[in-house]
Amino acid sequence: AQSVTQPDIHITVSEGASLELRCNYSYGATPYLFWYVQSPGQGLQLLLKYFSGDTLVQGIKGFEAEFKRSQSSFNLRKPSVHWSDAAEYFCAVGGIGGNEKLTFGTGTRLTIIP
Amino acid sequence: GAVVSQHPSWVICKSGTSVKIECRSLDFQATTMFWYRQFPKQSLMLMATSNEGSKATYEQGVEKDKFLINHASLTLSTLTVTSAHPEDSSFYICSVPGSYNEQFFGPGTRLTVL
Repeated sequence: AQSVTQPDIHITVSEGASLELRCNYSYGATPYLFWYVQSPGQGLQLLLKYFSGDTLVQGIKGFEAEFKRSQSSFNLRKPSVHWSDAAEYFCAVGGIGGNEKLTFGTGTRLTIIP
Repeated sequence: GAVVSQHPSWVICKSGTSVKIECRSLDFQATTMFWYRQFPKQSLMLMATSNEGSKATYEQGVEKDKFLINHASLTLSTLTVTSAHPEDSSFYICSVPGSYNEQFFGPGTRLTVL
């Protein structure tokens, strides 16, 4: 069975500081991996996705993530956070078949302090 | 990516009544849509997969007679919460899968049952 672990429930970062959100997955085959962001009371927005090729993927809003197969990880990074980055972040894993379900992690809430 | 809308964005109803939530894919024909439920400060829980032209596939533990799903066309899926009770109060979100199994989410519907 597939699963996603986000070990950090809540992270607080100063504005302008770097950020890394951790994600570990369990999947029996080649996974598709995703990071989503959710602002309060809103739906989820796709930040970036990995499905093949270069293990370092770039996303929107200056985010990037690195796929490390040996560590079963897909950590999200940003070199300098902005106050508007405060939100809930979800990592997700899915298969490569069509219209497959995604499995989401429990999320990491990011707080930005001035 | 696909643009997904939901209606209504917020609904309050009395216990025992039924509520219908619409999910529309505005620019993408979707043979499959997903329905999720999210409790405050928690992750998304997949409720069911909506299939155009056939019955929905429900996740284990989700009552199919309580949460009726109809995928009426390639752009519309509806979720009807029948005989709603306060414990059904939640945030309901739908999504449409993309080419690489990424999902594009609607803005969500907040249901409050009094």
